[in-house]
Order: sequence, then structure tokens, then C-alpha cells
Amino acid sequence: GESVGLHLPTLSVQEGDNSIINCAYSNSASDYFIWYKQESGKGPQFIIDIRSNMDKRQGQRVTVLLNKTVKHLSLQIAATQPGDSAVYFCAEMWAAGNKLTFGGGTRVLVKP
Amino acid sequence: GAVVSQHPSWVICKSGTSVKIECRSLDFQATTMFWYRQFPKQSLMLMATSNEGSKATYEQGVEKDKFLINHASLTLSTLTVTSAHPEDSSFYICSAGGGQGGYEQYFGPGTRLTVT
Repeated sequence: GESVGLHLPTLSVQEGDNSIINCAYSNSASDYFIWYKQESGKGPQFIIDIRSNMDKRQGQRVTVLLNKTVKHLSLQIAATQPGDSAVYFCAEMWAAGNKLTFGGGTRVLVKP
Repeated sequence: GAVVSQHPSWVICKSGTSVKIECRSLDFQATTMFWYRQFPKQSLMLMATSNEGSKATYEQGVEKDKFLINHASLTLSTLTVTSAHPEDSSFYICSAGGGQGGYEQYFGPGTRLTVT
């Protein structure tokens, strides 16, 4: 039978548009959150992180928003480019040096 | 960020044999290394945490006698899949921790294992 996780949620976005990827995390004690990008056959690539004492952090073309009240994390990619096509994972950590717990992932497909 | 390498990048082995995967942190000393497994179209699942010079801590459901982890130095951890079976075919990824602040983990490029 079909297993959970065989079909990643997919976000199709037109090149040049903005992308928003959402993530619900599980542990209210988590104090560090990271977004990773993973291209096919490669390891995760760090995009941006945020500590629990912040609600927004901006990088180059990316913004991460953290809503601790509803345990929600989002990644915004501005002016999405073909090179942004990949699977994006959020991850949470509840103490320095502790293990990361990954979310299920979202596939982003950028249409030219 | 720090550079982490894995070797080999891919390996094919026969059922019943053992395979060793190396994870090296190239430019910093990693007090802790993590091993993940990723099946197709799924997320990364932590298998075990290893601290240099001590025994690894395995996640629930991961057989410690099947997945042997050695972290003999601050720059090298190895994962040996013993008596491999086709269901062990997966993408194995390591990460090295212990960066500034203790939160950062730096991921390797992964090793694709196929057991025939």
C-alpha cells in the first residue's frame, strides 16, 4: 500500500514570482529553526536559520517567519529562479548540540 | 560554512555483505556527528548521534548491531552497514556539529547505497 511521504507536496511557481513554503513544527520547546534546500542526489544545503527569540529574519532573496503561537514557520523566496527548483525542508532543534528534527519537505518547481 | 565530505558517493553491494561509509569534517573539529537515512521522496530521518571517543546513541528502531558507528577522531566518523539487505538501500547523509554556538550542523553530500 501507499506510505505517508511518497508524494511530496509540490509548489509550482512561475519564474520571477515569489514563493512561500510553510512548515508546522512539533515541539514548543524548540529554540532553533533552519530551512534547507536539497537538490536531487545531494545533501541538504543551509538556507537560513532563526532563533526562537526572533519572528523574522531576512537573507539574500529569502525571508523566514516564525510564529511560535501556532508553531508555524515559513520561507519566502523572492523573484524565484529556475535554480531554486528543489525540495525544501524545515528543521527544528530544542537545545544547542541536540538533534535536528526534519519536516516532511516541499518540492518547488519553477516554471520558465 | 564548514565542509563535510562523504566517501563513497555511491556504492552497490550484494546482499549479505558489509559496507563502510566515511564522513569527514575537512576544516573544523566536530565533537558530534549525526547519521541520517533518507528514502526516496521522504525526509531525513536521524539514525544515530556519535560523540568523539564514546559510543553512539541510536534512535528508536535503529539496530545498533546492524549499523555500526565509529567516531574515532574529531574529523572522522564511519557508518558500517553490516549484512546489508535490499531494504537497506537508501541515501545516507552525515552531518557534523559543534560549530559556533553549538547549533550549527554541516551536512555531507550523501552516499547512495544500493543493495542487490
